[in-house]
Amino acid sequence: LAKTTQPISMDSYEGQEVNITCSHNNIATNDYITWYQQFPSQGPRFIIQGYKTKVTNEVASLFIPADRKSSTLSLPRVSLSDTAVYYCLVDLYAGNMLTFGGGTRLMVKP
Amino acid sequence: DAGVIQSPRHEVTEMGQEVTLRCKPISGHDYLFWYRQTMMRGLELLIYFNNNVPIDDSGMPEDRFSAKMPNASFSTLKIQPSEPRDSAVYFCASSKSKDRVSYNEQFFGPGTRLTVL
Repeated sequence: LAKTTQPISMDSYEGQEVNITCSHNNIATNDYITWYQQFPSQGPRFIIQGYKTKVTNEVASLFIPADRKSSTLSLPRVSLSDTAVYYCLVDLYAGNMLTFGGGTRLMVKP
Repeated sequence: DAGVIQSPRHEVTEMGQEVTLRCKPISGHDYLFWYRQTMMRGLELLIYFNNNVPIDDSGMPEDRFSAKMPNASFSTLKIQPSEPRDSAVYFCASSKSKDRVSYNEQFFGPGTRLTVL
C-alpha cells in the first residue's frame, strides 16, 4: 500500500482557505486518493476522493497534479467547526481496505 | 438508516476480564471493519470481513483478540483476558462493494471507549 506523508498540524483562522498537502510518491496506477475527516470523539468521515486533476464537492476540493505523487485538499472559508484531524489515504480502487496514517490536525481559531 | 451502531459506548473493566464489543453495520453493506485508535498508534485496522467471512486479520494484536460475524447484521470483537494496554477507542465501520462509480467510502460507528484498569 502506498505510504502518505502530511503535516502533523496546521493552524488557520475563520474565513480563510486552508490547503493541506499530502505526498504519496509510490502511488500505484490503480490507486485513488481519498480524504477523511475526524472530529473529537467521533469516527472518521469520508470527505472526497479523486484520481487526477480536480474534484469538487459541497465540502472541499481536491487537486491532483499530473504525476499524482501529491494531492492537496482545499477547504474554502473554514469555520471553527472545521477543527478536526484530516487523513489522506491512497487505496486500490478495486479494494475496500483503507490504511490510515497520522493525519493532519487542523485548528481553526476565531 | 441509523448508521453503524456500536455498543457499549463506554466500557470500564478490570485487567483479566473478558470484554465483548458489538457492532451492527449499515444494512446492505457487505464489508465490515474493526479499528482501534490510540494516541500513540493512531487508527489501526484490526480485521475486516467480506460477506461475513474474515478476509484479513493481520492487524489483530495477539491471540487474546478474536472477532466474529455470525450474520450480515452483527459482529463482535472479544478481548480475553483484557489488559491495561488494550485501553483505546474501538471503531466499527462498514462499506459496500465498490462498483464502477462508487467511492471507497467507509461509514464509521461512534466507537466504544474501552478502559482496562
